[in-house]
Amino acid sequence: TQLLEQSPQFLSIQEGENLTVYCNSSSVFSSLQWYRQEPGEGPVLLVTVVTGGEVKKLKRLTFQFGDARKDSSLHITAAQTGDTGLYLCAGRLGANNLFFGTGTRLTVIP
Amino acid sequence: GAGVSQSPRYKVAKRGQDVALRCDPISGHVSLFWYQQALGQGPEFLTYFQNEAQLDKSGLPSDRFFAERPEGSVSTLKIQRTQQEDSAVYLCASSLWGAGNTIYFGEGSWLTVV
Repeated sequence: TQLLEQSPQFLSIQEGENLTVYCNSSSVFSSLQWYRQEPGEGPVLLVTVVTGGEVKKLKRLTFQFGDARKDSSLHITAAQTGDTGLYLCAGRLGANNLFFGTGTRLTVIP
Repeated sequence: GAGVSQSPRYKVAKRGQDVALRCDPISGHVSLFWYQQALGQGPEFLTYFQNEAQLDKSGLPSDRFFAERPEGSVSTLKIQRTQQEDSAVYLCASSLWGAGNTIYFGEGSWLTVV
């Protein structure tokens, strides 16, 4: 059972389009992370958000943590083919527990 | 090594066989995590070590799953009497201390039970 639900599960868009991925839970997290995973590799950390309402930008990627620290979103502007991958949110409960979301598989078509 | 190393990368086991998956974390990392990832899904937590102590094993799906880290560095995940539903990628990750620091993942061990 996974605590975090992501939507959409699959997303296929044209290069240059914008997109948003959502990560929702009924649990309150002390922090939330976003990872990207390429086929055959482990997840790689993109960003950590800690404060409710926090917004972080990483080039064309914008991450937001919900005010109540239960949900988050990832927005990509002008998607590129290199953005293709599996995007995972992960919430931290306590000092040692990191729980991953169900994942969003993004395909950017040239 | 520079990153988390896992072996074997690929394992095909006959149903009922025992398997052992090895994880070599980043040198000096106190915390070690094991996750199970089914195809197309997010990783699911299995167990957590702080040095040699297994502090959380709440995610292990059954008593056929056993993990150890006897000297606080290399860890082994053992699955006894494998079943088809055990087929998944098993990811190991390490961090300096706990889940609050950056967690680095290995490439995973792909287990297929036939």
